Amino acid sequence: DIQMTQSPSSLPASLGDRVTITCRASQDIGNYLRWFQQKPGKSPRLMIYGATNLAAGVPSRFSGSRSGSDYSLTISSLESEDMADYYCLQSKESPFTFGAGTKLELK
Amino acid sequence: EVQLVESGGGLVKPGSSLKLSCVASGFTFSSYGMHWIRQAPKKGLEWIALIYYDSSNKYYADSVKGRFTISRDNSKNTLYLEMNSLRSEDTAMYYCAKDILSYWGQGVMVTVSS
Repeated sequence: DIQMTQSPSSLPASLGDRVTITCRASQDIGNYLRWFQQKPGKSPRLMIYGATNLAAGVPSRFSGSRSGSDYSLTISSLESEDMADYYCLQSKESPFTFGAGTKLELK
Repeated sequence: EVQLVESGGGLVKPGSSLKLSCVASGFTFSSYGMHWIRQAPKKGLEWIALIYYDSSNKYYADSVKGRFTISRDNSKNTLYLEMNSLRSEDTAMYYCAKDILSYWGQGVMVTVSS
């Protein structure tokens, strides 16, 4: 199975900061990488698909990138509504696998 | 507006069975693959099953393979997850999701406890 190693597990940050979350794939997954945001008590929300494509309705301060087997989600200027858990997911092959998650919190 | 509404959860004993449903609306259900994903309390997300739009292919996580069955009835716009031989570690919120996981239901809680 493909393993997704997500880091950091926790990310304290201040409003206005530029923050980056990373997932490393254990095998080649091409651009079959998605990012999700989940707020407490809510269902996950798709943020990025195809590694770099912004999902509908997602603010432009969010972006996705790829460098080899490393995939990153970047928020250019953190806003209070961005405080949430973030997960990556590989959908290259079954079983699809999520990263362990990153808790983004106010410093 | 796309809507996915799960139902069928509850408290069950270890070893028992349960069948979840997910009723879809707002899109052509028969044209899209569908997923089940779960989240144990205070834990991360776990993908558990995928079914193609025409039921021609089904895929499962190793943790549920042989115990859970995903199915769909396109005439009823409904996705199912039949869960057998339930274990305490199956306790989780279960979500159905559409296609590239662009839409999720609100989730339904399954608790397996004696």
